[in-house]
Amino acid sequence: ETGVTQSPTHLIKTRGQQVTLRCSSQSGHNTVSWYQQALGQGPQFIFQYYREEENGRGNFPPRFSGLQFPNYSSELNVNALELDDSALYLCASSNQGQGAGNTIYFGEGSWLTVV
Amino acid sequence: AQSVSQHNHHVILSEAASLELGCNYSYGGTVNLFWYVQYPGQHLQLLLKYFSGDPLVKGIKGFEAEFIKSKFSFNLRKPSVQWSDTAEYFCAVNGGSGGYQKVTFGIGTKLQVIP
Repeated sequence: ETGVTQSPTHLIKTRGQQVTLRCSSQSGHNTVSWYQQALGQGPQFIFQYYREEENGRGNFPPRFSGLQFPNYSSELNVNALELDDSALYLCASSNQGQGAGNTIYFGEGSWLTVV
Repeated sequence: AQSVSQHNHHVILSEAASLELGCNYSYGGTVNLFWYVQYPGQHLQLLLKYFSGDPLVKGIKGFEAEFIKSKFSFNLRKPSVQWSDTAEYFCAVNGGSGGYQKVTFGIGTKLQVIP
C-alpha cells in the first residue's frame, strides 16, 4: 500500500459532461501530481500541485484543471469531456524539500469511461 | 525536454529465463531514473530507482538495473524470471529542477512469463 487513495475507482460519463476525481496523498507528502494512462500507453503527466498552486503542467488543454487543499489532498476536474478522455487517471504524491530525486508514489487510479 | 524510449513492447519468456528490458532516456541535465511495475489490475509500484552513486541499483523481487551515463541507458535485469513477474514494466525519468517533479514514462513493456 502506498497510502495514496483515489476516488471513485470507476465511473462512466457522457461526452460533454464534467468530472471531478479526488486524491488523498500519502501522509507527510506535500506534492500531488496527476497522470493520464490511456490503454496501451505509459502514464502521461497532466500537472503537479505544490502548496496549493500548480507548478508544472504537461501537454493537456485548459479544460483539465485541478486544486490542492491545505491538507494536501487534490482534485482533478475535466470539463467538456471527450471520448478520448477515457483512461485511467493516476494520482501520485511526493514530498518536496528533501532535495532532488524524491520518489513519487501512485494511487490505484480512477477509471473514467466517456460514452 | 525529457523523453524515455523502451525498446521491447512485448516480451514472452519461459520461467527461469533471464530478463533484460532496455530503456534509453533523453535529458540534458541530472536525472533520476525509475522502473515501475504494474501487475494486472493493480496500481503502479516502484521496483527500483537511481538518484546518484553506485550505477548498479538493486530493487525488490530480485530486479536490478544499471545506469550507463555514456549510453543514456537504464536497463532492467533479472537473472531468473518467475510466472509471478508477468506484468507491465515502465521506465521513467525525472529531470525536474527545484520543486518541479515531472516524471516522464516510457510506453511500457508487457512481460509474459510462461510456466
